[in-house]
Amino acid sequence: AQSVTQLDSHVSVSEGTPVLLRCNYSSSYSPSLFWYVQHPNKGLQLLLKYTSAATLVKGINGFEAEFKKSETSFHLTKPSAHMSDAAEYFCVVSAIETSYDKVIFGPGTSLSVIP
Amino acid sequence: EAQVTQNPRYLITVTGKKLTVTCSQNMNHEYMSWYRQDPGLGLRQIYYSMNVEVTDKGDVPEGYKVSRKEKRNFPLILESPSPNQTSLYFCASGILSIGGSYNEQFFGPGTRLTVL
Repeated sequence: AQSVTQLDSHVSVSEGTPVLLRCNYSSSYSPSLFWYVQHPNKGLQLLLKYTSAATLVKGINGFEAEFKKSETSFHLTKPSAHMSDAAEYFCVVSAIETSYDKVIFGPGTSLSVIP
Repeated sequence: EAQVTQNPRYLITVTGKKLTVTCSQNMNHEYMSWYRQDPGLGLRQIYYSMNVEVTDKGDVPEGYKVSRKEKRNFPLILESPSPNQTSLYFCASGILSIGGSYNEQFFGPGTRLTVL
C-alpha cells in the first residue's frame, strides 16, 4: 500500500531565508512523486515531478526536490523564500498497484513567509 | 487556452436532492479524476478514469457516481447528497506516461459544495 507523510503541517520562514518542506513516502512499487502548490482560493499547480529520471528535480519558481530512495524521501527546498511562496504544498505519490493506478496526496504543509 | 473547467463553482443544496458537477478538459487527456479536499486531510481521490468508458474507484467513492462517455467530460454525480459530502471538489486531467502510471495532472478551479 502507498502512503505519504508530510512531516510538518505548518512551516514559517522569514523572507530571503531557505525553505525546507519534508515529505516521506511508502510504496511497494516504483513511484512517481510530485509536489503541488495551492495558493489561497486557487486550484492546484504542479511545482515539479520525479518520474525515475534524475533524482534532483528542478521545478518552477526556484523550487527543487531530491528523490532519496534509501530514505524514502522527497523533500522540497528553495534557497530564498519570497512572500509569494506563502501557500499550501502537497506531496503526491503515484504508482500502479496490481491492475489499477493509485494516487495519494499528503495532508499538506502550510508555508508562511514573514516579511 | 489549455484548461480544466468545472461547473458550478459554488453550490448550496439540501440533503437528498440529486446534483451533477460537470468537468471538461480541452487537452485531449486520457486520464481524469475527481478529488475532495477537506481541512487537515489533503486531497482524497473519489473516482478516476483511464479512458472513455473506463472508470475506477479511488479512496472515497461512497455516495458518488461518475461516467466517461466522452474523452473531454467527466461529470461527478451525487444521487442523494448528505451533509458529510460538504467539501471542496477538484477535477483533474492528466497525461498517461509510458507504462500507464499517470504523469502530470492539471486541476480545475474547484467546486465548493455545501449540503444542508
